[in-house]
Amino acid sequence: GAGVSQSPRYKVAKRGQDVALRCDPISGHVSLFWYQQALGQGPEFLTYFQNEAQLDKSGLPSDRFFAERPEGSVSTLKIQRTQQEDSAVYLCASSLGNRWGISFGSGTRLTVV
Amino acid sequence: EDQVTQSPEALRLQEGESSSLNCSYTVSGLRGLFWYRQDPGKGPEFLFTLYSAGEEKEKERLKATLTKKESFLHITAPKPEDSATYLCAALIQGAQKLVFGQGTRLTINP
Repeated sequence: GAGVSQSPRYKVAKRGQDVALRCDPISGHVSLFWYQQALGQGPEFLTYFQNEAQLDKSGLPSDRFFAERPEGSVSTLKIQRTQQEDSAVYLCASSLGNRWGISFGSGTRLTVV
Repeated sequence: EDQVTQSPEALRLQEGESSSLNCSYTVSGLRGLFWYRQDPGKGPEFLFTLYSAGEEKEKERLKATLTKKESFLHITAPKPEDSATYLCAALIQGAQKLVFGQGTRLTINP
């Protein structure tokens, strides 16, 4: 597709439920990023993939958060046993590589009730 | 600790009233300084990347500049459709991650 695609756009989860958020990057983009954006704040880095390799996961807030990109294209961010503090917009971004613009998707708004 | 701070948090202007948004950064090493525009309910939309002090880039009514400590986004004769949140972010040396500021919420009144 023309841009980064994320699904679902909205997700409501009961506390303790597991969720999976999907990202389809721009075709051919080697780099893929996940960010978390709280209301009224700038995005915060979660994790980075180069092709299928997860090279940086320093921003994942706890071991309940897990990301994968098994074939170097589509990526999934999984959150286990969701908590209210996990409520946020989860943004996926992709890039051709160094010194190229990083393009963001529209995000998935997760609400934990 | 790498940090990016934007000011003001919110800015209201009349249509045609020019102004500047500030982005101050304290980072271990800067590979690039990015500006994004974000509309409600949407992801950030790429505007500019600046790589070295003294560099300037322009797009329509927007011009971004970079010094060794800060970046400015100048908006000339803004229109209501320029209303959005403007985010700046630093790409850090030795890492593949953007460190974002909290954004400036810009409102242009007709």
